[in-house]
Amino acid sequence: AQKVTQAQTEISVVEKEDVTLDCVYETRDTTYYLFWYKQPPSGELVFLIRRNSFDEQNEISGRYSWNFQKSTSSFNFTITASQVVDSAVYFCALSEDSGYSTLTFGKGTMLLVSP
Amino acid sequence: DARVTQTPRHKVTEMGQEVTMRCQPILGHNTVFWYRQTMMQGLELLAYFRNRAPLDDSGMPKDRFSAEMPDATLATLKIQPSEPRDSAVYFCASGTRDRVPYEQYFGPGTRLTVT
Repeated sequence: AQKVTQAQTEISVVEKEDVTLDCVYETRDTTYYLFWYKQPPSGELVFLIRRNSFDEQNEISGRYSWNFQKSTSSFNFTITASQVVDSAVYFCALSEDSGYSTLTFGKGTMLLVSP
Repeated sequence: DARVTQTPRHKVTEMGQEVTMRCQPILGHNTVFWYRQTMMQGLELLAYFRNRAPLDDSGMPKDRFSAEMPDATLATLKIQPSEPRDSAVYFCASGTRDRVPYEQYFGPGTRLTVT
């Protein structure tokens, strides 16, 4: 069975600090996809990134970066120079096979960025 | 900008009443998912459809929940009779393999409160 663990329930930082959100996953599949979603206070789920299990290159998008390490089954998310608008709940998710299948979500990490 | 739409956005009902939630997937998307979000369980899959056919509804309480896709532009989730423990946010998502990179697009959710 698939499982996603986000051990950090809540993180509080001050604006401009860097913050890393941890994600550890379990799967028996050799092909799988990992995702991060953001849920701001308004409640919608916003797609951030999708990575497949064969691509371990780190990815950077503006202030966001992702570190995928198969050896430790982790897919961590770092926000550099955090801003108040980054305050949200962040979910890590796992999908088997082609990514066309269902998502197994972690419990989420609430990030609070204060001015 | 194509979006998944869900109606109603908020619903308050009394225990025992029937509740119907509707979802309009993005035009051209052939996979529709229903997820439920609660504080205790987080985000969990209820059911999903591909090309309007139900593929997996193992996450739904069968005695009271039902999900259908009357046509390609409408998915419905019904609860009859509703119970207080059904109070949650219900998300619909749609997706397709035709888009690279594949991702699930989430609707804004229906916040259900059963009193």
